[in-house]
Amino acid sequence: DTGVSQDPRHKITKRGQNVTFRCDPISEHNRLYWYRQTLGQGPEFLTYFQNEAQLEKSRLLSDRFSAERPKGSFSTLEIQRTEQGDSAMYLCAGAMGGLYNEQFFGPGTRLTVL
Amino acid sequence: AQKVTQAQTEISVVEKEDVTLDCVYETRDTTYYLFWYKQPPSGELVFLIRRNSFDEQNEISGRYSWNFQKSTSSFNFTITASQVVDSAVYFCALSEANYGGSQGNLIFGKGTKLSVKP
Repeated sequence: DTGVSQDPRHKITKRGQNVTFRCDPISEHNRLYWYRQTLGQGPEFLTYFQNEAQLEKSRLLSDRFSAERPKGSFSTLEIQRTEQGDSAMYLCAGAMGGLYNEQFFGPGTRLTVL
Repeated sequence: AQKVTQAQTEISVVEKEDVTLDCVYETRDTTYYLFWYKQPPSGELVFLIRRNSFDEQNEISGRYSWNFQKSTSSFNFTITASQVVDSAVYFCALSEANYGGSQGNLIFGKGTKLSVKP
């Protein structure tokens, strides 16, 4: 158990709808990462928070994507006007200590856009 | 540009066989970190090991061992006496310290699916 939980585990939505995912790391995880993983691929970095500050965003994170981490605890990832290409597993990872310490991944949220 | 290549898409072995998973990386950075993660069928990525670019010592942890060679930009992973529970997708990942504004984000390979049959 990595201590990182994600909700929901599965989400099915229709194209054009908005969806929001939640990630709850443990309190010691001052750093939080979001990744996206499509079938047969490795995870791809989306965005990074240090405490409540969003410090890095990937070019993959289009204008339809927004992430927050209020109070530096849980984080949410919202996708507006979903497209079929957004179908993927969305992974959250928490980390503590040095910038290059291991990241602890949650179970992911599998999004299917119909 | 930074890149991680895991050329083996799938490997199938019989229990108790040894198996090596290959990882080749590309980076301009002189300071970087390499990782291996395991993703079992349940889906949750499990951290296995981290190495920094200044430490080329091989590491052994039980049945697992890692061979880091900067000269060939490789960080290979060997499982000795494989077991059915080792069946999973294994990912190699790179994190650069100085380029691309990296904040510790991981660059993953495509993974190698290992099937260990009884």
